[in-house]
Amino acid sequence: AQSVTQLGSHVSVSEGALVLLRCNYSSSVPPYLFWYVQYPNQGLQLLLKYTTGATLVKGINGFEAEFKKSETSFHLTKPSAHMSDAAEYFCAVSRQEYGNKLVFGAGTILRVKS
Amino acid sequence: NAGVMQNPRHLVRRRGQEARLRCSPMKGHSHVYWYRQLPEEGLKFMVYLQKENIIDESGMPKERFSAEFPKEGPSILRIQQVVRGDSAAYFCASSPPQRTDTQYFGPGTRLTVL
Repeated sequence: AQSVTQLGSHVSVSEGALVLLRCNYSSSVPPYLFWYVQYPNQGLQLLLKYTTGATLVKGINGFEAEFKKSETSFHLTKPSAHMSDAAEYFCAVSRQEYGNKLVFGAGTILRVKS
Repeated sequence: NAGVMQNPRHLVRRRGQEARLRCSPMKGHSHVYWYRQLPEEGLKFMVYLQKENIIDESGMPKERFSAEFPKEGPSILRIQQVVRGDSAAYFCASSPPQRTDTQYFGPGTRLTVL
């Protein structure tokens, strides 16, 4: 069975500071990995994904994430936070043999202080 | 290319009524997934459908819930005899047949049961 743990339900950073959102997964084989962002009362927008290939993945809005198999991690980073980054972020995993249904972490609410 | 469409965006029902939630996938997408986001909980997989077929319904409650994706028209998630505990945001996601590793989400339907 797959599971996802997001460390920290709330993260607060100052504008211009580094954003680091943590995600660890549990899976018997390396799964596909995703980060989604959700703004209030809206749907989920795909930030980035890892399926195969290069382990450092770049996404939209300046975000990137690195797949580290030895640590079973897929942490999301952004060098400089912007006020518009304030939202809820979800890490998710899937596997092709399970129909690619997504298993989500509990989410991390990012607050950006001016 | 329009994104995933869901309607209605907001739905209010009284206990015991039926709720019908509609999802029109992106053009060319033949795979549809439904997820539920309960208050204070993460997103949970409900059902995975292809045209005219239910592939995986392991996340669907055993009673009162059903889903379909007919050859023509949108996918429908139907909840019979709604109860207050059904109040949640219901999200639909779609993917193309050749890239089922990535899902694109609709804006969601927020169901409130009075």
